[in-house]
Amino acid sequence: KAGVTQTPRYLIKTRGQQVTLSCSPISGHRSVSWYQQTPGQGLQFLFEYFSETQRNKGNFPGRFSGRQFSNSRSEMNVSTLELGDSALYLCASSLGGQTIPYEQYFGPGTRLTVT
Amino acid sequence: AQSVTQLGSHVSVSEGALVLLRCNYSSSVPPYLFWYVQYPNQGLQLLLKYTSAATLVKGINGFEAEFKKSETSFHLTKPSAHMSDAAEYFCALYTGGFKTIFGAGTRLFVKA
Repeated sequence: KAGVTQTPRYLIKTRGQQVTLSCSPISGHRSVSWYQQTPGQGLQFLFEYFSETQRNKGNFPGRFSGRQFSNSRSEMNVSTLELGDSALYLCASSLGGQTIPYEQYFGPGTRLTVT
Repeated sequence: AQSVTQLGSHVSVSEGALVLLRCNYSSSVPPYLFWYVQYPNQGLQLLLKYTSAATLVKGINGFEAEFKKSETSFHLTKPSAHMSDAAEYFCALYTGGFKTIFGAGTRLFVKA
């Protein structure tokens, strides 16, 4: 079974631009979560989607948004990029629903550099 | 508030020595706990999970963790370190509401 895929793997953007990152979950997984990983803040939860609905979100400004499509693929968008948005963005998928525990499978991440 | 604390941002052991990575949690409800490993330039990989079925949990690559409610701990151990174990390890807590929080991570160094 193919794992979680994220595209692109690397991205360089200029401050003020916007960016869209893509995540394809494992086949059959309906939940997708996004995380931001930085050396200073560690892994921070951005949001979680299940069946095209956002069920939870972390403490990030409104510049960070996401969506999920009917095939469970997900995208996250960051508008008006700031230098501090430079990070590794990780996507994780799981069966979702009411499956407990909430075991997640991670993609390799997208390394975003903002200059 | 629910939280996860990993004691020690860096741990160094010799090859063949015991690995002990510490994790303490705070949770107002019975916890679901996980350990993940991250190799350079990769995502996180699940090592093991605690789901209240057994307090001693065995995972992949020879790792195991013991849940101790009285100590609110979920420390990760491996009897004999291998060079390939060098990586960053994260303890995580499912907080409910479809959200998981992670500890700050512990980087494990293995000396030959």
